[in-house]
This record gives sequence, structure tokens and C-alpha cells, in this order.
Amino acid sequence: QSALTQPASVSGSPGQSITIPCTGTSSDVGSYNLVSWYQQHPGKAPKLIIYVGSKRPSGVSNRFSGSKSGNTASLTISGLQAEDEADYYCCSFAGSTTYVFGTGTRVTVL
Amino acid sequence: QVQLVQSGAEVKKPGASVRVSCKTSGYTFTSYAIHWVRQAPGQRLEWMGWINGVNGNTKYSQRFQGSVTFSRDTSASTAYMILSSLRSEDTAVYYCARDRLPFLAGDAFDVWGQGTLVTVSS
Repeated sequence: QSALTQPASVSGSPGQSITIPCTGTSSDVGSYNLVSWYQQHPGKAPKLIIYVGSKRPSGVSNRFSGSKSGNTASLTISGLQAEDEADYYCCSFAGSTTYVFGTGTRVTVL
Repeated sequence: QVQLVQSGAEVKKPGASVRVSCKTSGYTFTSYAIHWVRQAPGQRLEWMGWINGVNGNTKYSQRFQGSVTFSRDTSASTAYMILSSLRSEDTAVYYCARDRLPFLAGDAFDVWGQGTLVTVSS
């Protein structure tokens, strides 16, 4: 499977909202409502922030939200804060109990 | 609380094999699958496959099929990943992560190990 496509970088000022798209195909993102998003700070393990497209695990800020349209899922971070500066990865179920990650997006808070 | 603790960093020569362990605690090991994810230096996350906690069945990504083997020790609540015929391109951090839901009904990876750096160098 090919990686899901994400922009290499997205930036925003504190307080602003940013959106990270994650484009797949009809074999993964488009076929299943099983997209998850992970936040990874440098040198740390990834952290789950969104699952089944739009649900947040307990303890994750409601400034993070997810959505999907067709073959593209999106992560929106509202009220951008300095601590949100990290790498973000989408991941989709791809059938036959397999998964595929996105290419990753570096979020910079200006 | 649920924890996954991985073994320490390894340095191996090309052609060798390496075993990375993932010791779990805080939940019923046999009810959840464990996934393995690779991250080469400065690169993206790559899903490698899973091992089913219930029966030890495995699934490998096509990319890693034939070069990786997953196993488990239920008495020790520990999952293992063995990488064989190592090449320099296998230098990466390897993570284990738990399926969010039991019995392979998962849709995400909710708890992660701290990662294990495997360096392949002559």
C-alpha cells in the first residue's frame, strides 16, 4: 500500500486554526470510517488524539477535531498553542486487518 | 494503568538478527492485539503488522513480509519482534502499540511503547 498523502508542513499563529488534510484512496480512507490521528513530539512516541475519524480519547483537548469527505480525512487544531508544535500522522484501516500511515505533517506555531 | 515497556537500544552488524521485546501490564494481554510500527531516522511511521493476543496469529505488511517475525509469551505478557538479515536500511526506532479495542476489533493504536532504536552498522 502507498502511504496516505499529507502536506509536509503547516504553520499558524497562536490562537489560529489550522487544518491538516490526509488523502488516501477508495481502498482505505474512502472505504472505511476508521481514520486515526497521532501527535508525535521530537524523540517521543506517538500519541493517539483522534480515532474513528472524529472521536477523541479521554484527556485529549477538544481543540482537536477530525472529519472526512470522500477519500480525504482532515485534522483541525483550533486555538493553536505552542505545545501543539509537533508532527502529526493520519492512519487508516486498509482492509484485511491492515493499516497504512500518512506521510506526516510538521506543525509549526509561529 | 496500561503500559508497554520495550527493551533497550541495539547495535547489530549487517546480516545479523535482532529481537525487540514489548512487556505489557495493566490489562489482559491475551485480549488485545499488539501492532509494530517502524520509524527510520527523520522519516514517517510505517505499519509493520500485528500479533493477536488471543491465539498468536499474525499479519504482516507486504513490505515486511519475510523479514520480520512476531511472537508472544503469554505467561510474561510480552510480545516480541524479530528482524532478520539486517541491512543498514533497517536502522530505525521500532514501536509496539496496543489495539484500542479487544479481539482485533480495533480501529486505532491507543497505548504505545517508548520505542527501541535498532542501529545496523558494520
